[in-house]
Amino acid sequence: AQKVTQAQTEISVVEKEDVTLDCVYETRDTTYYLFWYKQPPSGELVFLIRRNSFDEQNEISGRYSWNFQKSTSSFNFTITASQVVDSAVYFCALSEQGAQKLVFGQGTRLTINP
Amino acid sequence: DSGVTQTPKHLITATGQRVTLRCSPRSGDLSVYWYQQSLDQGLQFLIQYYNGEERAKGNILERFSAQQFPDLHSELNLSSLELGDSALYFCASSPPAGGLNTETQYFGPGTRLLVL
Repeated sequence: AQKVTQAQTEISVVEKEDVTLDCVYETRDTTYYLFWYKQPPSGELVFLIRRNSFDEQNEISGRYSWNFQKSTSSFNFTITASQVVDSAVYFCALSEQGAQKLVFGQGTRLTINP
Repeated sequence: DSGVTQTPKHLITATGQRVTLRCSPRSGDLSVYWYQQSLDQGLQFLIQYYNGEERAKGNILERFSAQQFPDLHSELNLSSLELGDSALYFCASSPPAGGLNTETQYFGPGTRLLVL
């Protein structure tokens, strides 16, 4: 069975601090896909990144970076030099090959204080 | 803006009533997915349609049904509404997948349903 765990329910930091959001997943498949989505206060879900299980390269996009480690079944998300606009709920999600549906973690509410 | 549109944005109704939520996918996307976001259950997959046919079913109640029309828009019908059906309902769409690949799902802005 698929499962995604985001153990951090809420994180609060001061602007310009770096912050890492943890994501641990469970799957029996060898081929799967991992995602991060952002849900700002306005409520929509914004796609951030997609990673397949064969690509363990870390990715950096501006102030955002992702660390994928199959050995620990983790796909962590780091925001460098956080800004108030980064305040949102962040969801990690998993999809097994061919399954199409996304299984989401419970989300981490990130608050960046000025 | 993801390109996925959902109407209405907000819906307030009473217990026992029936409502219809509408979704238009991004241009070129054949798959439509419905998800429910509630405080106690989190984000849960309800159902997927691909080019008009039901492809996968999740935790969708029997009181709920969906369909995808020839123009690829989809509707989620919720009937005999209960207080616990109050939630944010998301529609997502994805492009055609090659083989068994999983494509990225792009989400609409959601419909916030309040059942009183």
